[in-house]
Amino acid sequence: GAGVSQSPRYKVAKRGQDVALRCDPISGHVSLFWYQQALGQGPEFLTYFQNEAQLDKSGLPSDRFFAERPEGSVSTLKIQRTQQEDSAVYLCASSQRFKGGASNYGYTFGSGTRLTVV
Amino acid sequence: AQTVTQSQPEMSVQEAETVTLSCTYDTSENNYYLFWYKQPPSRQMILVIRQEAYKQQNATENRFSVNFQKAAKSFSLKISDSQLGDTAMYFCAFMNPGDYGGSQGNLIFGKGTKLSVKP
Repeated sequence: GAGVSQSPRYKVAKRGQDVALRCDPISGHVSLFWYQQALGQGPEFLTYFQNEAQLDKSGLPSDRFFAERPEGSVSTLKIQRTQQEDSAVYLCASSQRFKGGASNYGYTFGSGTRLTVV
Repeated sequence: AQTVTQSQPEMSVQEAETVTLSCTYDTSENNYYLFWYKQPPSRQMILVIRQEAYKQQNATENRFSVNFQKAAKSFSLKISDSQLGDTAMYFCAFMNPGDYGGSQGNLIFGKGTKLSVKP
């Protein structure tokens, strides 16, 4: 596609519910990132994929967070047993270059999914 | 660990005037990249301007320019001839480039500055 597509745009979950957030990157983009943006804060890194390989998951806040990109294109971020502190905007970004090298090309961000846990 | 600080939570400017947004960062690296991103209410992060640390010349993109002071670790954004469409959150971001694991290649963002352009 022409841009990075994320769905759903909004998600309301009851505490304890599992959620799945989808990211559809630009076709052919090698790198895919997930960021978490709490209200009033800047985005914070969660995890990184190079094609289908998850090379960095150092930013995932707990083992309730899980991400996958099985075929090297679409990625899903799953949050199990959601808590109120998980409420945030989840941003996905992709790049045609690998991590670090992407700095010469920039990252293209999606519009995010706003997750509200009640 | 690298940190990015934006000390102005909110700024406002009259249409057609000039405004400067401040950003400071902390790193022990010598080679890195700095970015300004714009986030309108649509939430999509849009790249405004990029600066390579090894370049002494300040980056410019149309009405947007930066004042990069490497020794002071300062990276401010100047918006000239402000337009109503410039109203948005602006985030300063740092990247330590590299092809390997760890934090290299991750964008590290400040908390943002909310800019309002008034007619």
